Amino acid sequence: DQQVKQNSPSLSVQEGRISILNCDYTNSMFDYFLWYKKYPAEGPTFLISISSIKDKNEDGRFTVFLNKSAKHLSLHIVPSQPGDSAVYFCAASVEWWTGKLIFGQGTTLQVKP
Amino acid sequence: SQTIHQWPATLVQPVGSPLSLECTVEGTSNPNLYWYRQAAGRGLQLLFYSVGIGQISSEVPQNLSASRPQDRQFILSSKKLLLSDSGFYLCAWSAGRFGLDSPLHFGNGTRLTVT
Repeated sequence: DQQVKQNSPSLSVQEGRISILNCDYTNSMFDYFLWYKKYPAEGPTFLISISSIKDKNEDGRFTVFLNKSAKHLSLHIVPSQPGDSAVYFCAASVEWWTGKLIFGQGTTLQVKP
Repeated sequence: SQTIHQWPATLVQPVGSPLSLECTVEGTSNPNLYWYRQAAGRGLQLLFYSVGIGQISSEVPQNLSASRPQDRQFILSSKKLLLSDSGFYLCAWSAGRFGLDSPLHFGNGTRLTVT
């Protein structure tokens, strides 16, 4: 049972344009969501998070949107840069204080110069 | 600053052989420690987590075990590897009270291939 799904395995965008990565979840008890970025041969690095009491969180070029009614999460990167090319994982937690996260399968983003 | 070390980076082991992966964290005390695994084409799956020395919680039944002999050391083991144990193993830590300002921090992982 895949509680967190990233239905697009890959995404390609032009440098300077917006990248939109999507994530859907099934468990309405999730109360904390995160995005991680992963380069080859490295562990994932934390990018941005959002609590279920908010619908938007912004950090520089990265913005995460949460639509609880649709059980949908998205990450917007504006403007996209070639260095953003990586695998992006969304993750969710019910007991956020434990650090027990449920991850999606990942989306590979390629930003073309 | 805090750092997490995980080794080896890659490992090829025959079926039935034992396994020991080690992870250590520096620059923090009493961290929560985690082992995650990513199988091919799948997301990261939590295997074990620990909130203190000797305290291990297992998330999924499997052929693996974990131990925490010291505050900042976390070990993943198996007595006899199976083909299905192949995957990318990641150790992670968080501050004692994980939260919005204290997400999980991952090591660089170990690529395990069981042949």
